[in-house]
Amino acid sequence: AQSVTQPDIHITVSEGASLELRCNYSYGATPYLFWYVQSPGQGLQLLLKYFSGDTLVQGIKGFEAEFKRSQSSFNLRKPSVHWSDAAEYFCAVKNSGYALNFGKGTSLLVTP
Amino acid sequence: NAGVTQTPKFRVLKTGQSMTLLCAQDMNHEYMYWYRQDPGMGLRLIHYSVGEGTTAKGEVPDGYNVSRLKKQNFLLGLESAAPSQTSVYFCASSFTGELFFGEGSRLTVL
Repeated sequence: AQSVTQPDIHITVSEGASLELRCNYSYGATPYLFWYVQSPGQGLQLLLKYFSGDTLVQGIKGFEAEFKRSQSSFNLRKPSVHWSDAAEYFCAVKNSGYALNFGKGTSLLVTP
Repeated sequence: NAGVTQTPKFRVLKTGQSMTLLCAQDMNHEYMYWYRQDPGMGLRLIHYSVGEGTTAKGEVPDGYNVSRLKKQNFLLGLESAAPSQTSVYFCASSFTGELFFGEGSRLTVL
């Protein structure tokens, strides 16, 4: 079955530093991959998605992600983190049906 | 444009009580979903619907029922609430794969 693993439960980054959140997927064919962000008490907002084509995907809020088939990864990156980026981040893969399977999330803390 | 709206946003139930969560979307999406979110567990799919009048089980369907009588609405019911159903429930809808989420409904079962 399609699944995603987010190895890091918590990550702490200083404001202005670069960020990389890891996501590994398990899927036989070319996956449809997503990154969502959730601020405290809020719903989930789509940051970016990969369906096919260019393996480097640009998203909102300055985020990007790179699809690497050889490593079964879809890591999220940002060159310079802002305090407002503190949130929970979820990687997801479209399953063989009609829904998304989500990872357990990575909580990002941004320090001054 | 409201997107996906969930009601109620908060609810406290006693064990054994019943309740219904309502999800409404105004984007004319065919697919709708109910997920639950628990600490350290991510989001888990409860039930979903691929169109008006259809429903299907997800990963954790036990103890829940759903109905999709109208395309824009997707109802999640708990017939006899249990403390294990204390969670935050998210409704979502989609058309081409990307899911659009509501703001969540926090349910506490005492």
